[in-house]
Amino acid sequence: GDSVTQMEGPVTLSEEAFLTINCTYTATGYPSLFWYVQYPGEGLQLLLKATKADDKGSNKGFEATYRKETTSFHLEKGSVQVSDSAVYFCALSMGDSSYKLIFGSGTRLLVRP
Amino acid sequence: SAVISQKPSRDICQRGTSLTIQCQVDSQVTMMFWYRQQPGQSLTLIATANQGSEATYESGFVIDKFPISRPNLTFSTLTVSNMSPEDSSIYLCSVDRRASYGYTFGSGTRLTVV
Repeated sequence: GDSVTQMEGPVTLSEEAFLTINCTYTATGYPSLFWYVQYPGEGLQLLLKATKADDKGSNKGFEATYRKETTSFHLEKGSVQVSDSAVYFCALSMGDSSYKLIFGSGTRLLVRP
Repeated sequence: SAVISQKPSRDICQRGTSLTIQCQVDSQVTMMFWYRQQPGQSLTLIATANQGSEATYESGFVIDKFPISRPNLTFSTLTVSNMSPEDSSIYLCSVDRRASYGYTFGSGTRLTVV
């Protein structure tokens, strides 16, 4: 079935370091792809999305490119801040009649000053 | 995107009791989704709720344990019945008008069963 695989965490970085969180997917069709962020004690917020191959989603300095050839949607940020410390979830939706989201396991990011 | 009000935000309940979680959306939506996030884990879909029809449950979730109501296009409830400590989780509702637009989540209900 459809699934999402994320790199294991936690990821610990110093402030201003470069961030990459890997995400790959398995799907029978052409999904929409999402990154969600969950700050401590809060719900999920949509960070960015891409709906077709080669699309680049971006928001708050984060970027991810939909790569069909490698079935990947890696999250990147050039310079992380302490406030970026959170759990990041990669997810996909097939856009079929159920429209449900399938989540990866989540990657905890800790940014140290 | 839609604004979702979910309550209660947290609760501590005795085993064997039931808790009903409410989700109110500020605009009409066709489908509402209920997710569970167990401690330190990812999110798992419990069920999809369409207005006017019975909810569709994912494998491993049953209506007797997680009854859902969807009386109109802006409101839904999820009940966690006959609770045990294993039900301690965060429960989140979510809506989306179109899959490609992204999904909005409520702030979640943090449930602890003692």
